[in-house]
Amino acid sequence: EAQVTQNPRYLITVTGKKLTVTCSQNMNHEYMSWYRQDPGLGLRQIYYSMNVEVTDKGDVPEGYKVSRKEKRNFPLILESPSPNQTSLYFCASSPGRDLFRLAVNTGELFFGEGSRLTVL
Amino acid sequence: QKEVEQDPGPLSVPEGAIVSLNCTYSNSAFQYFMWYRQYSRKGPELLMYTYSSGNKEDGRFTAQVDKSSKYISLFIRDSQPSDSATYLCAMAGNNRKLIWGLGTSLAVNP
Repeated sequence: EAQVTQNPRYLITVTGKKLTVTCSQNMNHEYMSWYRQDPGLGLRQIYYSMNVEVTDKGDVPEGYKVSRKEKRNFPLILESPSPNQTSLYFCASSPGRDLFRLAVNTGELFFGEGSRLTVL
Repeated sequence: QKEVEQDPGPLSVPEGAIVSLNCTYSNSAFQYFMWYRQYSRKGPELLMYTYSSGNKEDGRFTAQVDKSSKYISLFIRDSQPSDSATYLCAMAGNNRKLIWGLGTSLAVNP
């Protein structure tokens, strides 16, 4: 089954304790991205990657790190989590580097089921 | 002013009603328009995609883009309880950067 898998789905942690949220896709997609979703602020992009070893900042990268050593995996690292990073996190992937290369992609992002993170 | 405005609702309708969901935007460069559906405790999934202006129909769903008014709509005919979800609009211009609406929460009551 084609899917984007995130782990953990739920996590409660304390300020300053490093954590990693893993993301893996089995669709051989080139593009991967991390979003956070907050009430009143909607979906905001944290980081994205168009290919292995290529990552770029999104709109809210502060406090996060990512890596793309393999095509299928795109972990999100919080080196020193703080309460303002309490959020619902989504990993997403898309077939091509260009989301809207006509006749190939339709801008479709395939999302994981989300990881709810609480930082105390 | 946000680039994309979407009324968060909630919107509550009886089963069988026609639902109209809308987004307005300010950037005239947007040409890629999408509607995503997000069920509770799930990730968003693409529902409809439209390039530039016009209408697109898929079953009970119709997406409309009016670039002159900077307004996009999603119509759901014969709404079902299974349509209860949050509907997110998203759009992009040539820079391919997706801009998201906040989402409209819809409840279809049996």
